[in-house]
Amino acid sequence: GDSVTQMEGPVTLSEEAFLTINCTYTATGYPSLFWYVQYPGEGLQLLLKATKADDKGSNKGFEATYRKETTSFHLEKGSVQVSDSAVYFCALTLRGKLIFGQGTELSVKP
Amino acid sequence: EPEVTQTPSHQVTQMGQEVILRCVPISNHLYFYWYRQILGQKVEFLVSFYNNEISEKSEIFDDQFSVERPDGSNFTLKIRSTKLEDSAMYFCASSEAAGVGYGYTFGSGTRLTVV
Repeated sequence: GDSVTQMEGPVTLSEEAFLTINCTYTATGYPSLFWYVQYPGEGLQLLLKATKADDKGSNKGFEATYRKETTSFHLEKGSVQVSDSAVYFCALTLRGKLIFGQGTELSVKP
Repeated sequence: EPEVTQTPSHQVTQMGQEVILRCVPISNHLYFYWYRQILGQKVEFLVSFYNNEISEKSEIFDDQFSVERPDGSNFTLKIRSTKLEDSAMYFCASSEAAGVGYGYTFGSGTRLTVV
């Protein structure tokens, strides 16, 4: 079945470091791909999305490119801030419902 | 910006009791969803709802669960006889349509604790 796999966390970085969170997917078809962010004690917020191959989603300095050939949608940010500390979820949708990865906790230290 | 509203934000209930979690989706959205997140685990799909009926449900969504859209605005999840393992954060979401490319808006969740 359709699934999403993310790199294990927690990821701990110093402020201004480069961030990569890996995400790969398995799907029978061409899904839309999403990154959601969950700040401590809050709900899920859409961070960015891409709907077709080679699309790049971007928001708040975060970027991810839909790579059909590697079935990947890795999240990157050039310079993280303490306020980026959160859990990041990669997700896909193909036939209505969202399927989430297991989440990657990011902790950014000053 | 339009929001999905969930109430209550926290609910504590005795094992075996019935609970109703409430959601007000975005007004022009047609598809409604419930998801669950057990503490520290992934977000899991429970059920999708369209045109006043369930369009898809997961294995988790067994006979103790039901959903309803009792009026034009509310969308509820009922758990008939709660178990300890139902303790989780429950998220409601809505979307304008179900095809690829359409976004989902999530509510801030209801934290259910079964004691």
